[in-house]
Amino acid sequence: GQNIDQPTEMTATEGAIVQINCTYQTSGFNGLFWYQQHAGEAPTFLSYNVLDGLEEKGRFSSFLSRSKGYSYLLLKELQMKDSASYLCAVRDSNYQLIWGAGTKLIIKP
Amino acid sequence: IAGITQAPTSQILAAGRRMTLRCTQDMRHNAMYWYRQDLGLGLRLIHYSNTAGTTGKGEVPDGYSVSRANTDDFPLTLASAVPSQTSVYFCASSERPEAGELFFGEGSRLTVL
Repeated sequence: GQNIDQPTEMTATEGAIVQINCTYQTSGFNGLFWYQQHAGEAPTFLSYNVLDGLEEKGRFSSFLSRSKGYSYLLLKELQMKDSASYLCAVRDSNYQLIWGAGTKLIIKP
Repeated sequence: IAGITQAPTSQILAAGRRMTLRCTQDMRHNAMYWYRQDLGLGLRLIHYSNTAGTTGKGEVPDGYSVSRANTDDFPLTLASAVPSQTSVYFCASSERPEAGELFFGEGSRLTVL
């Protein structure tokens, strides 16, 4: 079956760095996505990886290793507004997105 | 900038009633999707449409139907609502099925009693 695993909840301190991991087992691979979702709101796109390596976009970076079925989202210089759920999703061979349950990130002052 | 508009934003419905959730996008995207989101679970695809005039079944299609008469509109219908359909429903679109980014509507919170 297809499976996306990510931690349920993480806590970090304002100004610090946090890494949210995602492992996947899917039928085929056509890219991995990270979305941010604030409570009660819609998910919004953060990053897209299709090749191995690190993609950097401001305070956020996303890494992919296709051979290991592994990705992480790195958030630097954490701000209180980064408190949200972070969703990992993989596009399978049918170009459908398989979603993880999300990681709730709690930022403490 | 509208993007994707969903209606209603919230609804309480008696079991057995018929309900249509509306979704309209103004980005001229080819692909549209309906997801449900339940606590502790990832977004689950109900139905999708890769282009106007075509639809397909996702992971959890039972009890739901969709239509795609034109590019902009993608309504989701619950023919006879059941309590297990209590959820938050998100409509999304992408420029084309293989495009990188999905754009989501604000969601419709549905409670079936």
